[in-house]
Amino acid sequence: SQELEQSPQSLIVQEGKNLTINCTSSKTLYGLYWYKQKYGEGLIFLMMLQKGGEEKSHEKITAKLDEKKQQSSLHITASQPSHAGIYLCGADLFPGGKLIFGQGTELSVKP
Amino acid sequence: EAQVTQNPRYLITVTGKKLTVTCSQNMNHEYMSWYRQDPGLGLRQIYYSMNVEVTDKGDVPEGYKVSRKEKRNFPLILESPSPNQTSLYFCASSLSTGETSYEQYFGPGTRLTVT
Repeated sequence: SQELEQSPQSLIVQEGKNLTINCTSSKTLYGLYWYKQKYGEGLIFLMMLQKGGEEKSHEKITAKLDEKKQQSSLHITASQPSHAGIYLCGADLFPGGKLIFGQGTELSVKP
Repeated sequence: EAQVTQNPRYLITVTGKKLTVTCSQNMNHEYMSWYRQDPGLGLRQIYYSMNVEVTDKGDVPEGYKVSRKEKRNFPLILESPSPNQTSLYFCASSLSTGETSYEQYFGPGTRLTVT
């Protein structure tokens, strides 16, 4: 089983709708990363969270890390076709060590 | 420009023919790592290195070798490639040390096909 579980695995939304992607671990995470990827292409860094309760925003994307540092959510407000792609959460259990990733969430935004 | 470069970007090879995928970063990063990405399995770490001459296994190290002789380079070596190593490979680097985590910068990817 995945050490980092993402849900949902895929998502189709109408343009303008809000959506949330979740990333959950059974272990306490040291650093939590969110990336976006176009299929078969490189990873684009979105945000990194380290402190319990931390929240960061960039344009219409907000990411939060819960107090226990075991779950993160990525929220997109008023989705646009440009938001379409695969969203990946990654985490390290201790700094400078092994990195784990969720299996990804494929987002489609219908015009 | 700060970047992670990988070569080659695309490679088709045959079973058993040794190959090396190079990775280089120009940001003086301590931490470097290799991943493979497969449909339905996500991104899985192969090896990582916290510094020169220090390497550790990730989740899927079988069939791969790495070396970190210089800080900027972290080549991935497949001594005897097999078809199950057909995948999209990414190299990444970071300022991360044993005390603090930082953003991982990813290379553009290398698509490897082993026939």
